[in-house]
Amino acid sequence: AQSVTQPDIHITVSEGASLELRCNYSYGATPYLFWYVQSPGQGLQLLLKYFSGDTLVQGIKGFEAEFKRSQSSFNLRKPSVHWSDAAEYFCAVGAGSGNTPLVFGKGTRLSVIA
Amino acid sequence: DAGVIQSPRHEVTEMGQEVTLRCKPISGHNSLFWYRQTMMRGLELLIYFNNNVPIDDSGMPEDRFSAKMPNASFSTLKIQPSEPRDSAVYFCASILGLASYNEQFFGPGTRLTVL
Repeated sequence: AQSVTQPDIHITVSEGASLELRCNYSYGATPYLFWYVQSPGQGLQLLLKYFSGDTLVQGIKGFEAEFKRSQSSFNLRKPSVHWSDAAEYFCAVGAGSGNTPLVFGKGTRLSVIA
Repeated sequence: DAGVIQSPRHEVTEMGQEVTLRCKPISGHNSLFWYRQTMMRGLELLIYFNNNVPIDDSGMPEDRFSAKMPNASFSTLKIQPSEPRDSAVYFCASILGLASYNEQFFGPGTRLTVL
């Protein structure tokens, strides 16, 4: 079965600084990988996803993520953080069998300071 | 499209009472998921339906929890009797297609407080 680890529970960055949120997965084959964002009081929203092909994936709101098979990682990045990016971020992994539900990480809470 | 609709948005009840949470998935979506989110456990998948049929309910914590999907446009999650440890935010999500690689659309959640 697949699993996903987000090592950082909480990260604080200054507005305008760069951001990298870590995600490590465990799965025997090529996984489907996702990043979701949850703003306060709301449900989760898809930021980006990786299935195959180019290992650098662009998403909404200026986010990108890079799949590194050798490191079993799918880290999320943004070059310049805005105050509105303060939220909880979830990495998720899907298995190749098609109809197996995603497994979500426990999330990383991002705080943005002026 | 209105997105996934959940009701109520907030529910406060007393221990021992029955609680029913409701979800209307996006029209045309064929799979529906119920999640529970707490600070301690994070986001947990409770149950998942495909074409109105429960596929995996291994995440349902105990017999006090039950879920139904009588038709493609409506699902309920019931807790009877409720306990304080059931306090959490409950999310419903729906997808079109297979679960492993299609985007899940989440509702806004129901915040449940059991006193």
